[in-house]
Amino acid sequence: GNSVTQMEGPVTLSEEAFLTINCTYTATGYPSLFWYVQYPGEGLQLLLKATKADDKGSNKGFEATYRKETTSFHLEKGSVQVSDSAVYFCALGGGTSYDKVIFGPGTSLSVIP
Amino acid sequence: DAGVTQSPTHLIKTRGQQVTLRCSPKSGHDTVSWYQQALGQGPQFIFQYYEEEERQRGNFPDRFSGHQFPNYSSELNVNALLLGDSALYLCASSRLSTGELFFGEGSRLTVL
Repeated sequence: GNSVTQMEGPVTLSEEAFLTINCTYTATGYPSLFWYVQYPGEGLQLLLKATKADDKGSNKGFEATYRKETTSFHLEKGSVQVSDSAVYFCALGGGTSYDKVIFGPGTSLSVIP
Repeated sequence: DAGVTQSPTHLIKTRGQQVTLRCSPKSGHDTVSWYQQALGQGPQFIFQYYEEEERQRGNFPDRFSGHQFPNYSSELNVNALLLGDSALYLCASSRLSTGELFFGEGSRLTVL
């Protein structure tokens, strides 16, 4: 079945450092890929998404490119801020809206001043 | 525009009891999905409701059941609670046409 694997955390970075959180997936068909973020004390919210191969999702300075050949969707940000401290979840949805969204285990990011 | 609202926010039950959690979807959304999130883990899909029917189900026992009402709100019921059912239960709503999930803040269930 479909599954998502993420790099394990926690990840600790200094402010303005470069961030990469690796995500790979296993799926049949043509899934949509997502990154969700969970800030402390808040619910999950969609950060960015990509619906087909080679699409790049971007939001708030974060980017991720849907790579079908490597089955990856790595999250990157050029310069992190303290306010980016949160748990980041890579997720995979099926090719139709009926399909369930499957989440990875999450990667905790702490950014220190 | 209110987002996804869940109730109660916290509750404590004992083993063997039953619990009902409630969810009101975001305005304009017709699909509700429920997830279980254990501490330090990613959300696990329980089931999805659309047009008052269960459309998809994850790997959860029959003790977990749900319902969707004509106004699109939903309930999650768990019978014969086990200690392992302690978790944050998340409701997410979406429009079937887009599939993008909007989450509530969750109901934290503690089973003693």
